[in-house]
Amino acid sequence: NAGVTQTPKFRILKIGQSMTLQCTQDMNHNYMYWYRQDPGMGLKLIYYSVGAGITDKGEVPNGYNVSRSTTEDFPLRLELAAPSQTSVYFCASSLGPSGRDNSPLHFGNGTRLTVT
Amino acid sequence: GQQVMQIPQYQHVQEGEDFTTYCNSSTTLSNIQWYKQRPGGHPVFLIQLVKSGEVKKQKRLTFQFGEAKKNSSLHITATQTTDVGTYFCAGDRNQFYFGTGTSLTVIP
Repeated sequence: NAGVTQTPKFRILKIGQSMTLQCTQDMNHNYMYWYRQDPGMGLKLIYYSVGAGITDKGEVPNGYNVSRSTTEDFPLRLELAAPSQTSVYFCASSLGPSGRDNSPLHFGNGTRLTVT
Repeated sequence: GQQVMQIPQYQHVQEGEDFTTYCNSSTTLSNIQWYKQRPGGHPVFLIQLVKSGEVKKQKRLTFQFGEAKKNSSLHITATQTTDVGTYFCAGDRNQFYFGTGTSLTVIP
């Protein structure tokens, strides 16, 4: 099993450009998440999904959009990129709700995004 | 804002010394999970604690959950260079919040 796969690994965007970060998992997990990690900070939840067709905002959703058309895929869309979105983005999945029923998060390798 | 705080933010130890990181929440948690992130890597799940006062061990790592379920600690005995990384706690109440992390450097 590949687990959680994220693409691209690195990306440089100019201010105002748009892009989609791809995330796919092959563990048949219902729950998927997008986090961002800034230097010296913990991970902050951007959006999450409890199943295909269902998404909800996390702690820092502004400037991002998501969709969940299949169980496997959970892309993150950045519209009108801003320097404040320079960060490392991690996609994760879990069998059950995060923190419940012993459902650990499985993370992808991350996407390092720079907006200049 | 951040509801789960960790201290210290950074810790440098000589190889063989012990290390402890503390995780504190302003609210009671349902459970707490610990993750390790190697430099340049992604967080990897270590353990979950659920019960008040629970203590779990994994080889040289000891995890504790406070009696009031508002704090937790991770203690590493006799650190090795393979312990290098950032350790995060993550608490669940209504949302799953990650702590700010403790970055551990082990000096050979």
